[in-house]
Amino acid sequence: NAGVTQTPKFQVLKTGQSMTLQCAQDMNHEYMSWYRQDPGMGLRLIHYSVGAGITDQGEVPNGYNVSRSTTEDFPLRLLSAAPSQTSVYFCASRETSGRRNTQYFGPGTRLTVL
Amino acid sequence: AQTVTQSQPEMSVQEAETVTLSCTYDTSESDYYLFWYKQPPSRQMILVIRQEAYKQQNATENRFSVNFQKAAKSFSLKISDSQLGDAAMYFCAYRRNSGNTPLVFGKGTRLSVIA
Repeated sequence: NAGVTQTPKFQVLKTGQSMTLQCAQDMNHEYMSWYRQDPGMGLRLIHYSVGAGITDQGEVPNGYNVSRSTTEDFPLRLLSAAPSQTSVYFCASRETSGRRNTQYFGPGTRLTVL
Repeated sequence: AQTVTQSQPEMSVQEAETVTLSCTYDTSESDYYLFWYKQPPSRQMILVIRQEAYKQQNATENRFSVNFQKAAKSFSLKISDSQLGDAAMYFCAYRRNSGNTPLVFGKGTRLSVIA
């Protein structure tokens, strides 16, 4: 059971370049989300999705785009990378029903924008 | 909006001793969950312990226990018999009990364990 997977693990971009961070889960979870982690800031929510075709903004959505065409995948797109987007990015998933709906995290992607 | 505050950016503890990490939160809800996550140098987020607000009994997981004070909106983590492997960032997190609500994190406490 792979859980939540993210690719790539590391990425270096130049300002203005675009890229997509991939996230997939094999637990049939409806809820998926993207966080960024910056020193001294904890984890801040970028976007989330409660099912295929449904997405919503989190605390820091500017500069990022998401879509959810399948239950398994939730890619995060940077259309024009900026140095302020240098961060570690985490994808997470969980069930939306039941009380024991633990959130599972991927291993993270370290992104550097020069 | 809900907020989670961890007032101790860094803590240290001697191996085999006990340490308590503090967390307070702000919410007007009565039904919610609280969590402590551990992030070692590997960067992986690991769930340490969870507490459901409607349960008065404090959660425990082996050497980890919490002191949940609902009226005071306080949720501290106690680590007993600290081990070198406990050295990590610890994040407190809150989530309202609704299927679509996100997890809100504090800024974290970096714990060092001294041999």
